[in-house]
Amino acid sequence: DVVMTQTPPSLSVAIGQSVSISCKSSQSLVYSDGKTYLHWLLQSPGRSPKRLIYQVSNLGSGVPDRFSGTGSQKDFTLKISRVEAEDLGVYYCAQTTHLYTFGAGTKLELK
Amino acid sequence: EVQLVESGGGLVQPGRSLKLSCAASGFTFSNYYMAWVRQAPTKGLEWVASITNSGGSTYYRDSVKGRFTISRDNAKSTLYLQMDSLRSEDTATYYCTSRGGAYWGQGTLVTVSS
Repeated sequence: DVVMTQTPPSLSVAIGQSVSISCKSSQSLVYSDGKTYLHWLLQSPGRSPKRLIYQVSNLGSGVPDRFSGTGSQKDFTLKISRVEAEDLGVYYCAQTTHLYTFGAGTKLELK
Repeated sequence: EVQLVESGGGLVQPGRSLKLSCAASGFTFSNYYMAWVRQAPTKGLEWVASITNSGGSTYYRDSVKGRFTISRDNAKSTLYLQMDSLRSEDTATYYCTSRGGAYWGQGTLVTVSS
């Protein structure tokens, strides 16, 4: 089974600060079609998850460009530039190359 | 507007059964692989089962194999999860989602307790 290791488990930030979250996979996430099915989700308090980024670096519908994703093979990063209050919650990386696995989550809180 | 609306959750005794439904609208349901993902209280997200767009192939996490069955009715744009032999560790909010997470429902809470 694919294991997704997400760090850090929590982040305390000030509004306007930039942050990065790391996600490492135990296996390459490149599928046989050449695409990499690594996604980033945000679960705001009391809400369902919402997809921010799909296939490493593609912004989801309506997602502001303060969010960006990079990486390849087994090593991925989500960057949030200029954090806003609405960005607070738990961030998850997820892979759908090999069935479906989630990282443990990174809780983003206000400093 | 895309909507996924889950139903069927509730309180059930260990060993009993429950069937969840997820009604989809606003997108071409038959084009999408679908999945059930659960979240135990205060815990992270956990994939449960997936089904191909035609329903011809299904996949399960080990802990639910032989107990849960995922299915779909593309004519009704509805996804199902039949849960048998329920255990206390199955207690969670169950979300219906498209594979890759583009669409999510609001979730339905399943509590397994005597």
